[in-house]
Amino acid sequence: DTGVSQDPRHKITKRGQNVTFRCDPISEHNRLYWYRQTLGQGPEFLTYFQNEAQLEKSRLLSDRFSAERPKGSFSTLEIQRTEQGDSAMYLCASSPQRYNSPLHFGNGTRLTVT
Amino acid sequence: SQQGEEDPQALSIQEGENATMNCSYKTSINNLQWYRQNSGRGLVHLILIRSNEREKHSGRLRVTLDTSKKSSSLLITASRAADTASYFCATDDSRHNAGNMLTFGGGTRLMVKP
Repeated sequence: DTGVSQDPRHKITKRGQNVTFRCDPISEHNRLYWYRQTLGQGPEFLTYFQNEAQLEKSRLLSDRFSAERPKGSFSTLEIQRTEQGDSAMYLCASSPQRYNSPLHFGNGTRLTVT
Repeated sequence: SQQGEEDPQALSIQEGENATMNCSYKTSINNLQWYRQNSGRGLVHLILIRSNEREKHSGRLRVTLDTSKKSSSLLITASRAADTASYFCATDDSRHNAGNMLTFGGGTRLMVKP
């Protein structure tokens, strides 16, 4: 169990640019979640996959955001035409499909939009 | 939106003292979980309490749940400097449990002074 891995750890981009983050979940976990966390706040749910299927998306996830999990393993989160309000920590988590399983989080990608 | 609200938002205590954090939530739940987050890192699961449980212990942690008041508390006994972190409660929503999707509160920032 190597834990949930996220890349990059930090990303600084200029407003209007596109960015893509990657998440590698724990290999046995078929559920994968993306959360966003701004300074001093708790994580806010963005989207969730079970295997390769994206089963839930938050209203927070505007059409500039897209997430994929093409083979049910790693996932990518892309933000197009970034805005300063997108600056946040983007957290990925995974869990097995068992009921009441806790989430295992990665250390996040810190995005700064200048 | 935040489902849970923690109280207090910040807590500063001396090593060896007990720390109590409270969480309130809004919807019916299947379970409530507590997570810990060190600065700049991902969240780590601490303990899960089911809606039909009233109290649960894990090491120096004690969690209570009062579903009639929609509230929970986390007690850390004999605190250590290493307990310094932010603590978040998280709930699912029993009305539509989308694959263990969790909603987090705003967190309590605990500082334990040596």
